[in-house]
Amino acid sequence: AQSVSQHNHHVILSEAASLELGCNYSYGGTVNLFWYVQYPGQHLQLLLKYFSGDPLVKGIKGFEAEFIKSKFSFNLRKPSVQWSDTAEYFCAVNYNNDMRFGAGTRLTVKP
Amino acid sequence: GAGVSQSPSNKVTEKGKDVELRCDPISGHTALYWYRQSLGQGLEFLIYFQGNSAPDKSGLPSDRFSAERTGGSVSTLTIQRTQQEDSAVYLCASSFSRTVYYGYTFGSGTRLTVV
Repeated sequence: AQSVSQHNHHVILSEAASLELGCNYSYGGTVNLFWYVQYPGQHLQLLLKYFSGDPLVKGIKGFEAEFIKSKFSFNLRKPSVQWSDTAEYFCAVNYNNDMRFGAGTRLTVKP
Repeated sequence: GAGVSQSPSNKVTEKGKDVELRCDPISGHTALYWYRQSLGQGLEFLIYFQGNSAPDKSGLPSDRFSAERTGGSVSTLTIQRTQQEDSAVYLCASSFSRTVYYGYTFGSGTRLTVV
């Protein structure tokens, strides 16, 4: 079955540490890829997206993600996290206008 | 308003009762989606509306779930004879179209607790 997998359920980092959250999908065709973020008590917001072109996508707040087609991956990265990055992060894959989300990764950044 | 509005924000109901959840999308957004967010489960697609087309109901988990969208704007998700497993956060999102270039705009959700 088609799926979106986020490998880490909960990641705990100290401020200034580097972040990488994994996302893999199983769709075989052309996909559009997204990362959404949900800060505590707030609604889901779009962090970044990939449709075509440069596979390294830069988003808001210093986040970036790299689309590696051969690995069916779209990992989210940030070189130096801040306490305010504490949130839940969702990877999403749009295939044939059908958007599917991963289970989410909760990031806790310790001050 | 400027965002997607959902009401109520929290709902506690007794098992077996019916509940209605409301979503008011962004003005001009023709596409509207309902998702369910359960603990540790990610977002589960429920139903999709696009303009005046027949809705895509392929994600509804059972016939106890139904949704309608009146006048191409406000949508209501109805759960009949609620069960404890229906407890979750129900999220509504809207977009300009199902072509998701701009991504979705999500509401804050309705947290449903069935006791």
